[in-house]
Amino acid sequence: KQEVTQIPAALSVPEGENLVLNCSFTDSAIYNLQWFRQDPGKGLTSLLLIQSSQREQTSGRLNASLDKSSGRSTLYIAASQPGDSATYLCAVFYSGYALNFGKGTSLLVTP
Amino acid sequence: ETGVTQTPRHLVMGMTNKKSLKCEQHLGHNAMYWYKQSAKKPLELMFVYSLEERVENNSVPSRFSPECPNSSHLFLHLHTLQPEDSALYLCASSQAGQGRYEQYFGPGTRLTVT
Repeated sequence: KQEVTQIPAALSVPEGENLVLNCSFTDSAIYNLQWFRQDPGKGLTSLLLIQSSQREQTSGRLNASLDKSSGRSTLYIAASQPGDSATYLCAVFYSGYALNFGKGTSLLVTP
Repeated sequence: ETGVTQTPRHLVMGMTNKKSLKCEQHLGHNAMYWYKQSAKKPLELMFVYSLEERVENNSVPSRFSPECPNSSHLFLHLHTLQPEDSALYLCASSQAGQGRYEQYFGPGTRLTVT
């Protein structure tokens, strides 16, 4: 079974801090990796998709990196804002149709 | 409407009821998915339809029955559910081509089985 682990499970930071969320996966033969944001009681919003041939992707204040050999991805959020408070999910695709999700990191950015 | 929509957003049903969840995508995609999100557990893929054919069924109990009448609509028919089926049910869509393409999710239906 392909495991996806996200650390930490929860994180609280003051507004303005830069922060890093971590995702690790047991099988390095991934096809792509996707980061999502989920607000309480809501669906998932796709943030970034990294193909296995890429090392990083950027969108605004977000930067995601991928290191297949070590089985790790990080999501870097610059200059955090209270509106960034949400749960961040990492999902890895290997083959077939299933995305393998981690349990997420719950982020709280305090004013 | 844009993106992926789901109705109803909240549903409370008894164990003997029959109900249906509806999903519609307005993105021109041709693959649609049902996921289940339970508390403290990762999202679990339930069913996948690609080009209106069911291509994946992850050992889901028969009390859940999917239907995909066309590439824009997906239903999940529910009957004789158990309390442990209470969860957030999420629909997603993507271009066909297995999981290579980015998946876009709807807001979910919060289901409570009493």
